[in-house]
Amino acid sequence: GAVVSQHPSWVICKSGTSVKIECRSLDFQATTMFWYRQFPKQSLMLMATSNEGSKATYEQGVEKDKFLINHASLTLSTLTVTSAHPEDSSFYICSARDPFSFFGPGTRLTVL
Amino acid sequence: AQTVTQSQPEMSVQEAETVTLSCTYDTSESDYYLFWYKQPPSRQMILVIRQEAYKQQNATENRFSVNFQKAAKSFSLKISDSQLGDAAMYFCARYNNNDMRFGAGTRLTVKP
Repeated sequence: GAVVSQHPSWVICKSGTSVKIECRSLDFQATTMFWYRQFPKQSLMLMATSNEGSKATYEQGVEKDKFLINHASLTLSTLTVTSAHPEDSSFYICSARDPFSFFGPGTRLTVL
Repeated sequence: AQTVTQSQPEMSVQEAETVTLSCTYDTSESDYYLFWYKQPPSRQMILVIRQEAYKQQNATENRFSVNFQKAAKSFSLKISDSQLGDAAMYFCARYNNNDMRFGAGTRLTVKP
C-alpha cells in the first residue's frame, strides 16, 4: 500500500518559536494532502487541505496565519506552526491522495 | 454541524469472541463514504474498512464487517474472533463534499 511519512516524529520547542512539520508521499505523487490535529484522548479534526502549486484550503476556525501550509512538490507538504504557544501542543497527522486512505505516522508537538 | 457519534467510549471483549462497535452519523447528502479506523498505541491511523453509501451490500474485510443501515444512519463494526492485536482506539468517520468528520472513538480492550 501507499506509504506516507512525517518528520519529525516528535518535536519540543519553546513558546514563540516556529516549527515545521513535513509530510511526504514515498511511493506515489499526491497533488493533494491533508492535515489533521488530534488532542490527547480526542478524535481527529481536519485542519486544512494542501494543494500542490496553489493555496491551501483551511477549515473553519483554523488560523491560516498561524498554521502555514506549503505544498511545493508532488511528494511534499509542510505545516509550519508559527509563534507556537503551549495550546498548540498536539498530535499532527497528515494524509495523502485523499483524506481517508493513507495516513502518516503523526508528529507530536510539545510547546514549552 | 454534521456529526459522527460513537456512543461507547470503551468496550471490552474476550479473545476469540465477537464484539460490535456502534456508530451513527448525520448527513443531508445521499452520496458519501463511511470508514472505520484503528489507532493503536503507536497512533498510526489504519483504515480498517470502508463503505460507499450507494452500495447496499455491507462491506467485509476478513474478520471485520459492518452493518450499514442507511435509513437509520447507522454504521456499526463487528469484529469476529477477536485477537489481542485488535486492542486499540477505533474511530468511525464520514466523508462527503470534501468534509471529513470523525467520531470521538471507542477504546477496545481484548482480554486473554
